[in-house]
Amino acid sequence: QQPVQSPQAVILREGEDAVINCSSSKALYSVHWYRQKHGEAPVFLMILLKGGEQKGHDKISASFNEKKQQSSLYLTASQLSYSGTYFCGTIYRGTYKYIFGTGTRLKVLA
Amino acid sequence: NAGVTQTPKFQVLKTGQSMTLQCAQDMNHEYMSWYRQDPGMGLRLIHYSVGAGITDQGEVPNGYNVSRSTTEDFPLRLLSAAPSQTSVYFCASRGPLSGQAKFFGPGTRLTVL
Repeated sequence: QQPVQSPQAVILREGEDAVINCSSSKALYSVHWYRQKHGEAPVFLMILLKGGEQKGHDKISASFNEKKQQSSLYLTASQLSYSGTYFCGTIYRGTYKYIFGTGTRLKVLA
Repeated sequence: NAGVTQTPKFQVLKTGQSMTLQCAQDMNHEYMSWYRQDPGMGLRLIHYSVGAGITDQGEVPNGYNVSRSTTEDFPLRLLSAAPSQTSVYFCASRGPLSGQAKFFGPGTRLTVL
């Protein structure tokens, strides 16, 4: 069963912040985040390997709570270029299957 | 490096036809996977491979076959195309460690009439 992301969709104005959550019913090895522009392939954003780890570049950061089996992606001072669909990806403990979350569509308006 | 390449980019099939989607990577990645993405939906794992000669089923394997004879290539075969297989197919690869990013090919847009 794939991780569930929330919200399913969000609309922002330029400069606003957003949080995207990824929750799993199974234990996670790591969490990866990707962004997919319309008509294109997903592009890697970042990986979180350890529980409690937080990472970020530019104004996009993420955290991983291993005990709660969830990760959050934080987008601050959003830009038009942030528009797209965001996916978390993970490998469940004990498997080699790489599964993506349900996705969150984000649209940033001028 | 070309990264992950897929051919063809577009394909139209009639119900019952068979075809092979090609995927190749030049990064010496052990792990390769096939996903399908239906309009407005997420990515669902079809089949994956953890190395040459080793493949396994993903979430939606029915109607598809794979083989992995070399590290570089991971073709996906549609045995008897059905309209329900109309989708965008992405091939992806990554290194063996869980901390390594997954790289995607540009996708194959398949329509089954």
